[in-house]
Amino acid sequence: GNSVTQMEGPVTLSEEAFLTINCTYTATGYPSLFWYVQYPGEGLQLLLKATKADDKGSNKGFEATYRKETTSFHLEKGSVQVSDSAVYFCALSDFGGGSQGNLIFGKGTKLSVKP
Amino acid sequence: EPEVTQTPSHQVTQMGQEVILRCVPISNHLYFYWYRQILGQKVEFLVSFYNNEISEKSEIFDDQFSVERPDGSNFTLKIRSTKLEDSAMYFCASSKRDRGSQPQHFGDGTRLSIL
Repeated sequence: GNSVTQMEGPVTLSEEAFLTINCTYTATGYPSLFWYVQYPGEGLQLLLKATKADDKGSNKGFEATYRKETTSFHLEKGSVQVSDSAVYFCALSDFGGGSQGNLIFGKGTKLSVKP
Repeated sequence: EPEVTQTPSHQVTQMGQEVILRCVPISNHLYFYWYRQILGQKVEFLVSFYNNEISEKSEIFDDQFSVERPDGSNFTLKIRSTKLEDSAMYFCASSKRDRGSQPQHFGDGTRLSIL
């Protein structure tokens, strides 16, 4: 079946440090891949997406590249800020794999950025 | 920017009681979803809804659950006889189309506490 595996948190970084949150997936079809972010007390917000192999999604300084050969979609940011503190969720939508497009999420990775 | 809104933000209910969680999706969206997140666990898909009928549901979505779109704007999740294990954060989401590449927009969630 389809699944998403994210690196375990929590991750604690100093401001301006480099961030990588690993995400790998298994899927039977041709999934689209997403990163969602959940700030404290808020809902899930779409951060970025990629819909086919080698696509790079980017937003607010975050990037992730859809790597079909390694079935990965790692999230990176060159210089994190305190305001990036949140929980990050990797997700896939495997419409072509028999699903109707519902999202399958990883467990989430909590990021804390210290000043 | 249009938002998905959910009410109430927090619902406390006695075990065995019925509860209705309400959502107002984005107005030009056609596909609607419910997810839940038990504390400390993954966000899990419950059900998707299109054209006034369920298009897909997970194993979690048993006979105790139902969804309805009673008018042109609201989308509700009903739990008939709540159990302790129904305590979770429930998220509503909507999208323009069900293709996997279309991002789903989430509300801020309803925290359901069963006593």
